[in-house]
Formats: sequence, structure tokens, C-alpha cells
Amino acid sequence: KNEVEQSPQNLTAQEGEFITINCSYSVGISALHWLQQHPGGGIVSLFMLSSGKKKHGRLIATINIQEKHSSLHITASHPRDSAVYICAVGVGFGNEKLTFGTGTRLTIIP
Amino acid sequence: DAGITQSPRHKVTETGTPVTLRCHQTENHRYMYWYRQDPGHGLRLIHYSYGVKDTDKGEVSDGYSVSRSKTEDFLLTLESATSSQTSVYFCAIADYNEQFFGPGTRLTVL
Repeated sequence: KNEVEQSPQNLTAQEGEFITINCSYSVGISALHWLQQHPGGGIVSLFMLSSGKKKHGRLIATINIQEKHSSLHITASHPRDSAVYICAVGVGFGNEKLTFGTGTRLTIIP
Repeated sequence: DAGITQSPRHKVTETGTPVTLRCHQTENHRYMYWYRQDPGHGLRLIHYSYGVKDTDKGEVSDGYSVSRSKTEDFLLTLESATSSQTSVYFCAIADYNEQFFGPGTRLTVL
């Protein structure tokens, strides 16, 4: 069973700060996902990546397959970025089974 | 937004009663999943489906059954609800790539 560890569990920062959330996993994967869960409970997929780096707006996700580690970065953070960020890893064709981390709760203070 | 809905969105029931949650998609995606989310745990897979009438167990399947008679609908049944099944249940869909999540169903078993 793949173990997924996220750090930190909670993070509070001032608006404008650069944010980094980390994710480590224990066994080989086919892809890694970053998800965002809003305070209202909805879950949105941010990234799916199997190598290298992806960028979408102020969000950047990187993965190091050899080190079994991924990071999610947020540049110029804003209060609307406040949410729980969840890392998940997929094993198998089509990523049909995901193992999830317990999430990082991010709070951005104006 | 991916066309995925869940019903009901909230339900309170008593121990021992049967409960069925419905997930409906309009995307014609192959894969459908049921997860539960509890404090201190990441999302955990209950059951998933890889096609009509094709389902398989996840890591927390005890006490749950599923059915998929049409591509668009995936039903989760608690045959005899217990208090340990109080949780938020998420349905997700995927088509070989990222997963899209429904809005969730908050179930309380008294």
C-alpha cells in the first residue's frame, strides 16, 4: 500500500507570500495529483503530473520521481487561496485507484 | 465543470436502516468512484467501477455495496447503516486522466 505524507499539515501565511506544500510517497506511481478542497467542501483537480513541472496561473507543481517527492507552490498568495490542498498518487493503468494524503490546510491572512 | 451530481446532498438516518446514495454523470466517463472523507483520514476509496456492471472493492468496502446498470449512474448502498458510516461521501469520475469530483453527500447515522 502506498503511503502518502504531506507537510505541513497546517500553514498560515500573509498575503503575497510564496507558499510551498510538500508531498512524499513510498512506492512507484503512474501519476501524482494535486487537488484543492474549498471551505464549502467541493474538490477541484489542480494538476496531474508524472514527471517534471506544470504551471497554471500562480500555481506550480513539480515532481521528482527518483526522490518520490512533489511540491505545490503558490506565488503571490491571496486570501482566496485559503483551502485544503490534497496530494494523491495513482498506481495502475488509467490511474484508477488513488491513495490520498490527509491534506494541508492553508490560510492566507490579508 | 464536469457534469457530475450526487443525491441526496444531506441525509440523516437511523442505525440499521438501508441507505442508497446516487452519483450521476453526463460525461460518459468510463471510471466512477465512491470515496468517504473523515477527519484525520485522507479520502478513502470504497468501491469503483470501470464499466457497466464492472465494479471492484476499494480499501474500505465492508458494509457497502455498489451497482452500475447504466454508464451515467453509480449507486452506493449501505445495507444496514451504522454510526461508523457517518461521513461525507464523494463520487468521482475519470476517463484515463484526472478525476472530477461531485459535490459530496453528508450522511449522519444516529
